[in-house]
Amino acid sequence: AQRVTQPEKLLSVFKGAPVELKCNYSYSGSPELFWYVQYSRQRLQLLLRHISRESIKGFTADLNKGETSFHLKKPFAQEEDSAMYYCALSENSGGSNYKLTFGKGTLLTVNP
Amino acid sequence: NAGVTQTPKFQVLKTGQSMTLQCAQDMNHEYMSWYRQDPGMGLRLIHYSVGAGITDQGEVPNGYNVSRSTTEDFPLRLLSAAPSQTSVYFCASSRADSSNQPQHFGDGTRLSIL
Repeated sequence: AQRVTQPEKLLSVFKGAPVELKCNYSYSGSPELFWYVQYSRQRLQLLLRHISRESIKGFTADLNKGETSFHLKKPFAQEEDSAMYYCALSENSGGSNYKLTFGKGTLLTVNP
Repeated sequence: NAGVTQTPKFQVLKTGQSMTLQCAQDMNHEYMSWYRQDPGMGLRLIHYSVGAGITDQGEVPNGYNVSRSTTEDFPLRLLSAAPSQTSVYFCASSRADSSNQPQHFGDGTRLSIL
């Protein structure tokens, strides 16, 4: 069965410092991976998907199949980045994104 | 477009009561899913649907029923509420195509079972 592991429940950094939120996965097929973010009192929203290979709000994430990781990185954290971040894996690829397996989430706090 | 709309936003129930959490989407998405979010557990899939008339179980389906009579609506029913079902419930929808479009989430329903 697929699994997504986010080893850090809490991560605290200072404004301007680099931040890396870790995500490891186990899946026997070809994974589709996502990062979702939930700001305080807001709905869960997509931040990144690995197939897009894009940078959103300064965040990037690279899929490393050898290490089965999809870590989220930002070189200079901002206070508005404070939120709960979830790594998620789509069970099936090619248009079957209705069954996401989520990690337990990492609460990022960026201090002034 | 309103996107994914969930009602109610908050609800308190007594053990043994039943209720239905409503979810509607106006994006003509084929796929819809229900998740529950618990502290330290992340989000877990309860039930999902790939189209009207088709539903299936997710990771934690016990105690919940769903139906999908229309593309727009995907209600979640608690048959006999238990304190273990105290949680925040999220409904999500996504388009069915080969590009694996991301899911769009509703605001959630915060449910407390006493």
